[in-house]
Amino acid sequence: QKEVEQDPGPLSVPEGAIVSLNCTYSNSAFQYFMWYRQYSRKGPELLMYTYSSGNKEDGRFTAQVDKSSKYISLFIRDSQPSDSATYLCAMSTFHLTGNQFYFGTGTSLTVIP
Amino acid sequence: DTAVSQTPKYLVTQMGNDKSIKCEQNLGHDTMYWYKQDSKKFLKIMFSYNNKELIINETVPNRFSPKSPDKAHLNLHINSLELGDSAVYFCASRGLAPSYNEQFFGPGTRLTVL
Repeated sequence: QKEVEQDPGPLSVPEGAIVSLNCTYSNSAFQYFMWYRQYSRKGPELLMYTYSSGNKEDGRFTAQVDKSSKYISLFIRDSQPSDSATYLCAMSTFHLTGNQFYFGTGTSLTVIP
Repeated sequence: DTAVSQTPKYLVTQMGNDKSIKCEQNLGHDTMYWYKQDSKKFLKIMFSYNNKELIINETVPNRFSPKSPDKAHLNLHINSLELGDSAVYFCASRGLAPSYNEQFFGPGTRLTVL
């Protein structure tokens, strides 16, 4: 069983829709939860990160963590064609000299104008 | 200004050859990583170095050998390349306090083994 599970999609939505992306995990020691966005033929870039359970909002993006269910979500409101990318969730425990990050397989999102 | 750079961007080579990929970061970070991303977009950690010292060494064939001459550089040498090594290899560096959970990725090196 992989440490992090993510539905690979693909997901296709019309412009303006609300998008929900999700990951589940098995390691209860994870404390940090991240979402990365990866455009085609580019490296991943950090979108948001949260520590422990709770919600975090940044513009049109909201990240939610439910540690009791080992479930994290990313919501995108008013989705735009420029949001079309692969979204990767990632998790880690903290280590001073180098966290080990575990990634989901990514969900491919297409926002249709 | 490029934060994390990798060379080359594309690498096409024959089975059995030896090749190297170079990575440099100008962010002043202490920790750097190599990841392999397969065709299904799964990003798997291979190695991590902190201040030139190997910290993480996942189950990777010993044909892969990382080298960190200084904390700004982390290179990856691959011996006797196999078809299954075809993938995109990403270098990343980890932010300093308090941004320990932020990773900065390079543009990737697309390796194709024929």
